[in-house]
Amino acid sequence: KAGVTQTPRYLIKTRGQQVTLSCSPISGHRSVSWYQQTPGQGLQFLFEYFSETQRNKGNFPGRFSGRQFSNSRSEMNVSTLELGDSALYLCASSLGPGAYNSPLHFGNGTRLTVT
Amino acid sequence: AQRVTQPEKLLSVFKGAPVELKCNYSYSGSPELFWYVQYSRQRLQLLLRHISRESIKGFTADLNKGETSFHLKKPFAQEEDSAMYYCALREGGGTSYGKLTFGQGTILTVHP
Repeated sequence: KAGVTQTPRYLIKTRGQQVTLSCSPISGHRSVSWYQQTPGQGLQFLFEYFSETQRNKGNFPGRFSGRQFSNSRSEMNVSTLELGDSALYLCASSLGPGAYNSPLHFGNGTRLTVT
Repeated sequence: AQRVTQPEKLLSVFKGAPVELKCNYSYSGSPELFWYVQYSRQRLQLLLRHISRESIKGFTADLNKGETSFHLKKPFAQEEDSAMYYCALREGGGTSYGKLTFGQGTILTVHP
């Protein structure tokens, strides 16, 4: 079974631009979550989607948004990029509600550098 | 709000020695606790979850609700155990299945 796939692996953007990151969950997984990983703040929860609906949101500004498609694939978007947005963005998938204690499975991440 | 604390940023042991990675949490409800591991150049992967009460790669972890801890232990460390270890908490009740609160991580180095 293929794992969580994130594209692209690397991105370099300029301040003020916007970026879209993509995530394909494990087949059969219906919940997709996004995390930001930085050396200073560690792993921080961004948001979670299930059935094309945002279920939870972390403490990030509105510049960070996401969506989920009917096939469970997800995208996250960051608008008006700032230098502080440079980070590794991780996507994770799980079975979702009804699957008690279903763990998260993580992708390799997209490394975003803002210059 | 929930919080996960891993007090040791770095931990070094010699091969064959016991190892314990500490994790403390604060959460008012009944949490689900996990240990994730990230080996060099690999993705973050699940190591243990408290509900399973299993031993993976010789590691065990017991949830102590009285001390609000979920320490990870292994009696005899191996060089291949060298990695970054994250303790993570998920709110119980099944409503936050995708939201984990992570500790800051502990880098374990096992010397030959």
